[in-house]
Amino acid sequence: DAKTTQPPSMDCAEGRAANLPCNHSTISGNEYVYWYRQIHSQGPQYIIHGLKNNETNEMASLIITEDRKSSTLILPHATLRDTAVYYCIVRVRGDYGQNFVFGPGTRLSVLP
Amino acid sequence: GAVVSQHPSWVICKSGTSVKIECRSLDFQATTMFWYRQFPKQSLMLMATSNEGSKATYEQGVEKDKFLINHASLTLSTLTVTSAHPEDSSFYICSSETQYFGPGTRLLVL
Repeated sequence: DAKTTQPPSMDCAEGRAANLPCNHSTISGNEYVYWYRQIHSQGPQYIIHGLKNNETNEMASLIITEDRKSSTLILPHATLRDTAVYYCIVRVRGDYGQNFVFGPGTRLSVLP
Repeated sequence: GAVVSQHPSWVICKSGTSVKIECRSLDFQATTMFWYRQFPKQSLMLMATSNEGSKATYEQGVEKDKFLINHASLTLSTLTVTSAHPEDSSFYICSSETQYFGPGTRLLVL
């Protein structure tokens, strides 16, 4: 079973920031938080991951609470092409024998 | 970054035929690859773990004789759906042992 919970759906206005929450209250000390997204009929696309510090890359920012029990993915200026299902996954980094366990994710709709 | 490719991207076949799906790691060696299946409006579900040079391990409820996995090299894993039936119609996705997923293969069995 997935170790994360996410809202099933969210809307965001184009050009505004999209903030996608994720709860992972049972996360272990060596588990990272990964975010992926899946645009219709495509494979999951890696977005970002982090352990405990906030992370930023060209796609998004990841904010992890100090107790690591929740995190927020931020798309700073959402576009229509960001409409997708977003998955928050916890996984031990470097454990190459471990697969990713996907929950239902959050369906983000970016509205014009 | 590392790239995983799949071939074909989509396939339509008749019931009873076998279909082979290839998953390739393009610029790195993958000792382990994972095969997922995704039905419409559902999330990805792990089917099996493919290990180079050894037998694959299958998740509960996945028939190993129906979904044959071969991982003969560090850059190629194949999934063969044998005697396909309409209920096998799905989106099949592979991933490397790192963090990259293939683009998926859509299978439609008539």
